[in-house]
Amino acid sequence: LAKTTQPISMDSYEGQEVNITCSHNNIATNDYITWYQQFPSQGPRFIIQGYKTKVTNEVASLFIPADRKSSTLSLPRVSLSDTAVYYCLVGEAGNTGKLIFGQGTTLQVKP
Amino acid sequence: EPEVTQTPSHQVTQMGQEVILRCVPISNHLYFYWYRQILGQKVEFLVSFYNNEISEKSEIFDDQFSVERPDGSNFTLKIRSTKLEDSAMYFCASSESPVGYEQYFGPGTRLTVT
Repeated sequence: LAKTTQPISMDSYEGQEVNITCSHNNIATNDYITWYQQFPSQGPRFIIQGYKTKVTNEVASLFIPADRKSSTLSLPRVSLSDTAVYYCLVGEAGNTGKLIFGQGTTLQVKP
Repeated sequence: EPEVTQTPSHQVTQMGQEVILRCVPISNHLYFYWYRQILGQKVEFLVSFYNNEISEKSEIFDDQFSVERPDGSNFTLKIRSTKLEDSAMYFCASSESPVGYEQYFGPGTRLTVT
């Protein structure tokens, strides 16, 4: 699994757009980029996954440049309830499905 | 929306005792996992399970740990002789496929070993 680097923490205000960037310089050809969200005392929750260009769902957008060495999770108009830890995972889960979580980015949304 | 459930939500046990943590994965999922998260630390993979066999286990998953799917719906994690350092949140997860990363996590069981 490729090593990822993301900011340890970020602050934002309600209504703002938040962009969290993840670096993954050693991403392999078969690797996907996936983001999870974790609220305190809860299990991680899958947010979005992509391979290249842009992916959008009802929760977030994921921007992936052509070289795929980084990716940006974009949360539009955050609210207080978006305060959570966001994890960037890169790799091919392969036959066993093992997920390797890093420290993630703790997003604090303020009123 | 289907969800993974776990029981109990909180388990307190004494050092050396055996505990069994229970999980009910999403019904049509075939791949099952256990992770743990020590307070303030990152989520750590313990084991993956498919077709009644362990697919992969981490270094944490030593001989005191075991997993079982005793029937068509439950998936259990047993810790034979608990240690203080086993205190953590234990998450069960399931997925339709191991390929890709979309796993569904349960709410967790908080294990406190005293």
